[in-house]
Amino acid sequence: GAGVSQSPRYKVAKRGQDVALRCDPISGHVSLFWYQQALGQGPEFLTYFQNEAQLDKSGLPSDRFFAERPEGSVSTLKIQRTQQEDSAVYLCASSLVTGQSTDTQYFGPGTRLTVL
Amino acid sequence: AQRVTQPEKLLSVFKGAPVELKCNYSYSGSPELFWYVQYSRQRLQLLLRHISRESIKGFTADLNKGETSFHLKKPFAQEEDSAMYYCALSWGATNKLIFGTGTLLAVQP
Repeated sequence: GAGVSQSPRYKVAKRGQDVALRCDPISGHVSLFWYQQALGQGPEFLTYFQNEAQLDKSGLPSDRFFAERPEGSVSTLKIQRTQQEDSAVYLCASSLVTGQSTDTQYFGPGTRLTVL
Repeated sequence: AQRVTQPEKLLSVFKGAPVELKCNYSYSGSPELFWYVQYSRQRLQLLLRHISRESIKGFTADLNKGETSFHLKKPFAQEEDSAMYYCALSWGATNKLIFGTGTLLAVQP
């Protein structure tokens, strides 16, 4: 079956623009994670959803970042008034169940955001 | 604070040589540790997890709580092993992952 998909794959924004990044998790997966990966770094956690509930948003770097998953499937990460430091690859991952460390997170291909 | 450290940004070896990718962690509880791999132009994928105590593609990793390490090893490197390797720690009720900065393994022919 299809894995996690993300769109767009590449996004170029001018500083100050708003952007929306989409994640389609594997069908039936309860958990959904967003990570941010800056150049030369490992992925860093942003936020977590269990179905439609956003249970952890401790990694969101500022109030310009907002995520939602209204029907418990597709998720959107929105960044308002983008800044150059927002340039990164944004990764989405989903897993079947929740709260179990034995559960595997499956990653999407990422969206590369470049803010000029 | 929880942290994962991978001291080597690049590890270059010849085909057939042994490989050891280093990973150290800091965590106050019982850690759940993973190795993820990203091959060229592919997405990040799970290679192995310590709780399974399995060998995947000839790679093994042993959790050493005394040294707080989870080094990834393979006795004989293959060219197809060339990739970016990330060590990660699972933390909290949500199972979010904390990643190291990654090590690029380059296996020369």
